[in-house]
Parts: sequence; C-alpha cells; structure tokens
Amino acid sequence: GAGVSQSPSNKVTEKGKDVELRCDPISGHTALYWYRQRLGQGLEFLIYFQGNSAPDKSGLPSDRFSAERTGESVSTLTIQRTQQEDSAVYLCASSLGPDQPQHFGDGTRLSIL
Amino acid sequence: RKEVEQDPGPFNVPEGATVAFNCTYSNSASQSFFWYRQDCRKEPKLLMSVYSSGNEDGRFTAQLNRASQYISLLIRDSKLSDSATYLCVVRHYNQGGKLIFGQGTELSVKP
Repeated sequence: GAGVSQSPSNKVTEKGKDVELRCDPISGHTALYWYRQRLGQGLEFLIYFQGNSAPDKSGLPSDRFSAERTGESVSTLTIQRTQQEDSAVYLCASSLGPDQPQHFGDGTRLSIL
Repeated sequence: RKEVEQDPGPFNVPEGATVAFNCTYSNSASQSFFWYRQDCRKEPKLLMSVYSSGNEDGRFTAQLNRASQYISLLIRDSKLSDSATYLCVVRHYNQGGKLIFGQGTELSVKP
C-alpha cells in the first residue's frame, strides 16, 4: 500500500516486559514522527527523525523509551520495562520534509496489564 | 496549562445545525495552524490548514487571530458524517515540523 504502515495493530503485554513497535513510512518521506495518544487525550509528540538521525527527542517520557530509524525508512520504537501508564495508541507519521503535511498510520494500540 | 486548549465538549447537535469550535494557543512561536479530524479508533486526518486571512472549504470555515492567539472552525449544515473528534493543531517554525495537538472536541450529530 502507499500509506504509512504500523505493526502490530494491537499489543497486549504484561507490566515489566519490553515491546517493539514498527513503522514503515511512505516511500521517499525523509521525515518521520512518533506520537502517543492516551485515552481521551490529544496526541503527544515523542520523537522526530530526519533521515536516520533524531534531531528532536524531547517528547520521549523517560529513558525506558528509545527509537531508531535505519535506511531512511523503517523506524522502531522500543519501550523497556513497560508500565501501566504506557498504555496508549502509538501513532507514526511521515512527510516529505519537516514543513510538509504529515500522513499518519493507523497506530499500535498498546495495553499493559 | 496545555499549549493548545480546546472547548472540552462533547457537542451534541441536530443535523443541519451550525457548530463552532474554539481553540487558543499559548506559544507565540506557533507558525502554522491546522484542524484535524479523528474518527473513533482511527488515525487523525488533516481537515484543513488555517490561514491568517481565513479560509473556507465547502461547509467548513477556519479563522485565525494571531493577536489573540485564537483559532476557530465553523461547520455549517452539519451532517451525520461530521460526527468525529476535531483536533486543533499548531506547528512551530523551524522545530522539525512536530505537531502540537489540543485534546480534541467530540462532535455528535444526531438525526
């Protein structure tokens, strides 16, 4: 497909486990963003990639959160030692450049038991 | 205080009604402004950008007042299919394009 693809769609895991969330941006989009949306809230910015580097990580809530991007394509968001407050929908977006419209994936719904 | 604040909602209106959404932003570095629509359990989708001169797209009119740091969205002749959450979004100049979202206002249009 031509859109932003995220996997898995849903993830249920036990508190304390590590999780990896994947984002496949639209081909050719150099900018990639991760956001988090808690129930009933707006989206919160987590991290921005331009190419494979992350000039803005200011939204990552703790050192349990990390992300990487390789090949100017796929990005992985990793949450270590998950906590219940990490339960949210994690959304990825990509754009042709930092000031271009962002296209969102369907998100990964993460539930921590 | 959140950087982008919206009416708490929800708004419940009959079909055909006119409904207005209000939004304020606190950071004067905000450079670009948008309204996004989010359907239940779906990703946000860009509804329209907001320009200083005001802009219209069919039944939707968006306005921006930079002096008051205020953004609005007006929906005329509302349809059942307009039911969704409307998100006010700003972007700062030269900060990599990250979007800053309000918490959203839920709209329910009833027959």
